[in-house]
Amino acid sequence: GDSVTQKEGLVTLTEGLPVMLNCTYQTIYSNAFLFWYVHYLNESPRLLLKSSTDNKRTEHQGFHATLHKSSSSFHLQKSSAQLSDSALYYCALSESSNTNKVVFGTGTRLQVLP
Amino acid sequence: AQTIHQWPVAEIKAVGSPLSLGCTIKGKSSPNLYWYWQATGGTLQQLFYSITVGQVESVVQLNLSASRPKDDQFILSTEKLLLSHSGFYLCAWSIDWTNTGQLYFGEGSKLTVL
Repeated sequence: GDSVTQKEGLVTLTEGLPVMLNCTYQTIYSNAFLFWYVHYLNESPRLLLKSSTDNKRTEHQGFHATLHKSSSSFHLQKSSAQLSDSALYYCALSESSNTNKVVFGTGTRLQVLP
Repeated sequence: AQTIHQWPVAEIKAVGSPLSLGCTIKGKSSPNLYWYWQATGGTLQQLFYSITVGQVESVVQLNLSASRPKDDQFILSTEKLLLSHSGFYLCAWSIDWTNTGQLYFGEGSKLTVL
């Protein structure tokens, strides 16, 4: 079945440094969509990014990610971390646009220190 | 604007007792609805989804059931709770079958089974 792997459980870095959270996936569906969700403490998870076409970068709120089907990856990046970016980040996969199954990774907690 | 509300916010229940968690969506007709479960320290695991009133599909059983009695309501229940049911339950909706990975989550219900 489908799976999403986020190898890092915790990423700690200093404010101002670049952020990269890894996400790789496995699926047999060539039209799968990848997503990044952010979960701040005491809030609900919310959608941060949705993948576009292969090798195309998508951006939102300073974060960006590029779907690479050749390496089955959708890493989340930001050029300069802010204290307010501290949260739990989930990578998720939807098999295609018209299925109702969405698989989440285990999440990466980003901790930004001053 | 669409709003999603879950109840109760938190429950402490005994093993073997019944459970009912609810979710209501306002401002969107015929949404796709989902139940997700998150064990402490675990990922978001999809339990059920529903695309229309009276129709619910199970993704992972976990000795739980779900129903959609009204277009804007989704209920998660069981007659006998297990210790393993403890965790955080999130209801979510998506616009329709073409945007199933774009989920909008409720505030969640925290369940502790003793």
